[in-house]
Amino acid sequence: QVQLQESGPGLVKPSQTLSLTCTVSGGSISSGDYYWSWIRQPPGKGLEWIGYIYYSGSTYYNPSLKSRVTISVDTSKNQFSLKLSSVTAADTAVYYCARDVDTAIGGWFDPWGQGTLVTVSS
Amino acid sequence: QSVLTQPPSVSGAPGQRVTISCTGSSSNIGAGYDVHWYQQLPGTAPKLLIYGNSNRPAGVPDRFSGSKSGTSASLAITGLQAEDEADYYCQSYDSSLGVFGGGTKLTVL
Repeated sequence: QVQLQESGPGLVKPSQTLSLTCTVSGGSISSGDYYWSWIRQPPGKGLEWIGYIYYSGSTYYNPSLKSRVTISVDTSKNQFSLKLSSVTAADTAVYYCARDVDTAIGGWFDPWGQGTLVTVSS
Repeated sequence: QSVLTQPPSVSGAPGQRVTISCTGSSSNIGAGYDVHWYQQLPGTAPKLLIYGNSNRPAGVPDRFSGSKSGTSASLAITGLQAEDEADYYCQSYDSSLGVFGGGTKLTVL
């Protein structure tokens, strides 16, 4: 079965760029059957969808973050990545990667990675 | 302020039935987008509980059920058990953007 695992620095300084990678195992990103998403959850708060990427490289971002977000894919490594620039303390959150089962009437996220806490602090 | 509105908390005694509502609008649930539900146990990642309004993934007990009507959806849990104590989130789409409810904390008394 497919498993996802996030990796990257747990501490980022304000104004710098947050960079995370999600490694997919048990299935191929290149299969084309799914989209691949990033979702975050500030401590004690709810979930926010950041954006997704398709194996071809096409992306769609949450408009609230679009100016600062870049999601990329490396099919040779079966990985996809998130970059969030000009971070502030408000970007402190647990970041999850998830498989996006897209449908014409709105898909769902399954499975999810275990999540990684990124703290923005000097 | 979440696009989808959930009650912050619900509670029930073991064996009882509880429901969690998820209220949207004509641009998301009312536009025909499906609603999905996730269970988040303390300190863990969300887990898919219901997809496509009322479908259960393999391994999810039939004590969990979902429904959708108009601009709202509901998650029902029957035969409440201590291990059901968790946060529950609904999710849908709004103008091609994935959106979540604010989450509901279920307390088993």
